[in-house]
Amino acid sequence: AQKITQTQPGMFVQEKEAVTLDCTYDTSDPSYGLFWYKQPSSGEMIFLIYQGSYDQQNATEGRYSLNFQKARKSANLVISASQLGDSAMYFCAMREFEGTNAGKSTFGDGTTLTVKP
Amino acid sequence: DGGITQSPKYLFRKEGQNVTLSCEQNLNHDAMYWYRQDPGQGLRLIYYSQIVNDFQKGDIAEGYSVSREKKESFPLTVTSAQKNPTAFYLCASSGRTGMWNTEAFFGQGTRLTVV
Repeated sequence: AQKITQTQPGMFVQEKEAVTLDCTYDTSDPSYGLFWYKQPSSGEMIFLIYQGSYDQQNATEGRYSLNFQKARKSANLVISASQLGDSAMYFCAMREFEGTNAGKSTFGDGTTLTVKP
Repeated sequence: DGGITQSPKYLFRKEGQNVTLSCEQNLNHDAMYWYRQDPGQGLRLIYYSQIVNDFQKGDIAEGYSVSREKKESFPLTVTSAQKNPTAFYLCASSGRTGMWNTEAFFGQGTRLTVV
């Protein structure tokens, strides 16, 4: 069964520093995708970055990068040069591509990030 | 503009009543999803649909029902059987069936309160 675990309920980071948000997952499907989303206090969901299970390189999008360690089933989000506007809740999600759960998307419980000035 | 629209933004329901939340998308996406979010918590999958006239139960489907009669629309009914329906409900859509490597686009959410 799909399972996403985010072990850090809350994180603090100083402005302009980097921060890593942890995500581990469990699946028996060899083909899957991992996504990170940001949810500000307004409630909207903003897509940040994607990593496919067969991608050879770690994904990067601007200040966001994904530290993908397939053997350890982890997909940590790294935010470089934190900004005050990065304060939000961050969710890791997984979607399986094959089998009876193809297309099913599961989210973790999220990490609340607070950037300090 | 292309996007996904949920309505209403706020909804109040009396105990014992069914209520339907609307979700419409004009992104030509095949897949649509409904999630429930409780305060300070993550998103839990209620139902998802990959194609018209077909849908699958998610992790917390009890007390909810959906339909997918049109590609653009995926309404969610919260029935009186749902014991604790007060929550924030998010609808999402993503890509074409089989193109699972595309991100989900979310609506602005509906905040349901049982009074």
